[in-house]
Amino acid sequence: LAKTTQPISMDSYEGQEVNITCSHNNIATNDYITWYQQFPSQGPRFIIQGYKTKVTNEVASLFIPADRKSSTLSLPRVSLSDTAVYYCLVGDLGVAYKYIFGTGTRLKVLA
Amino acid sequence: GAVVSQHPSWVICKSGTSVKIECRSLDFQATTMFWYRQFPKQSLMLMATSNEGSKATYEQGVEKDKFLINHASLTLSTLTVTSAHPEDSSFYICSASFGLSEWETQYFGPGTRLLVL
Repeated sequence: LAKTTQPISMDSYEGQEVNITCSHNNIATNDYITWYQQFPSQGPRFIIQGYKTKVTNEVASLFIPADRKSSTLSLPRVSLSDTAVYYCLVGDLGVAYKYIFGTGTRLKVLA
Repeated sequence: GAVVSQHPSWVICKSGTSVKIECRSLDFQATTMFWYRQFPKQSLMLMATSNEGSKATYEQGVEKDKFLINHASLTLSTLTVTSAHPEDSSFYICSASFGLSEWETQYFGPGTRLLVL
């Protein structure tokens, strides 16, 4: 099974760039890496998805090294509203259509 | 695009009653829908996976007779918590995917807060 490991929590200040790294040593060849953001009492919100190298959208960048055993979500210039839990997900090796959520990273942005 | 809704957003019920939660994909046809449960300060736990027109696949430890899932159409899945008890109180979240490959993106609903008294 493709499990992910992330730091449990991180603190940052407004305006800083935040990088959250996720380890996924057992990632499968066809797996994509997906990051979600979750606020309290809400469903997770899709942030970004990638397969290799670098992906960028209007809210974040995703860096994936050549071996794909880890990935880094980069949030530029965070604000207080970015305080949330961030989950890194990869496809389950054993069963199709299945994500296993890890602990996620609880990001707290300070003023 | 890719909007998933849930109804109701919260529900309070008495112990022993059944509660039905609806999950709808509003602007796409979902090949697969998922149901998760989340307790306070914890991560999401996958309960079951369902495909339209077929029986749901439940995760180990999830009672299929207690958590009935019906995926009646490509835009609607329902989760019924039968004979609910206080320990079933939780945040229930559905998600839907519409991709053709195995690892397609899941889009999540806003969640349903269930409180069993």
